[in-house]
Amino acid sequence: DTGVSQDPRHKITKRGQNVTFRCDPISEHNRLYWYRQTLGQGPEFLTYFQNEAQLEKSRLLSDRFSAERPKGSFSTLEIQRTEQGDSAMYLCASSRLRQGGWDYGYTFGSGTRLTVV
Amino acid sequence: GNSVTQMEGPVTLSEEAFLTINCTYTATGYPSLFWYVQYPGEGLQLLLKATKADDKGSNKGFEATYRKETTSFHLEKGSVQVSDSAVYFCALSDHQGAQKLVFGQGTRLTINP
Repeated sequence: DTGVSQDPRHKITKRGQNVTFRCDPISEHNRLYWYRQTLGQGPEFLTYFQNEAQLEKSRLLSDRFSAERPKGSFSTLEIQRTEQGDSAMYLCASSRLRQGGWDYGYTFGSGTRLTVV
Repeated sequence: GNSVTQMEGPVTLSEEAFLTINCTYTATGYPSLFWYVQYPGEGLQLLLKATKADDKGSNKGFEATYRKETTSFHLEKGSVQVSDSAVYFCALSDHQGAQKLVFGQGTRLTINP
């Protein structure tokens, strides 16, 4: 078990370009989350998947954002037509929901730091 | 909605000092409470948790007690080390639906030798 992996670690892009981030969760974890963390703030929930189904999206997730988790394994987060306000750390986390309750505590990846110039 | 308020930082202490970082929350029902730590350039790591009132979470010398009557979950450590320098986040999660985490704004802790 190598934990939650995110790629790339850093991304610098020009305003208006599209970017895509990848997250590989812990293999037996059936829930996968995306959070966004801006400088000096705590992470904020964006969206989550249970297996391959995207079950909830935050109002923070504008139409320019899309997330997928094909086959319930890795996930991608795409941002189209990036804006300077999208500059942030994008964190992925996974957890395990088992029969009888939640396996408390997420495992977070190291994040992808996006800078839009 | 649910929210978490943390003691504002940054906090600077000398090695072996006593640490308290305050955290209060607002939530409907009985959430689970967490402290996460973020070292420079790294993701968040779960430090400790408590899932019901009066539970005490502990790890690596850190402790926090779930106080329902004061809606608090203050983080304490009796003797801090330079290696404890990091950003600390208090968070809560309800037990419904996404069970997403709601975080405080974080408290940057610096320990000087």
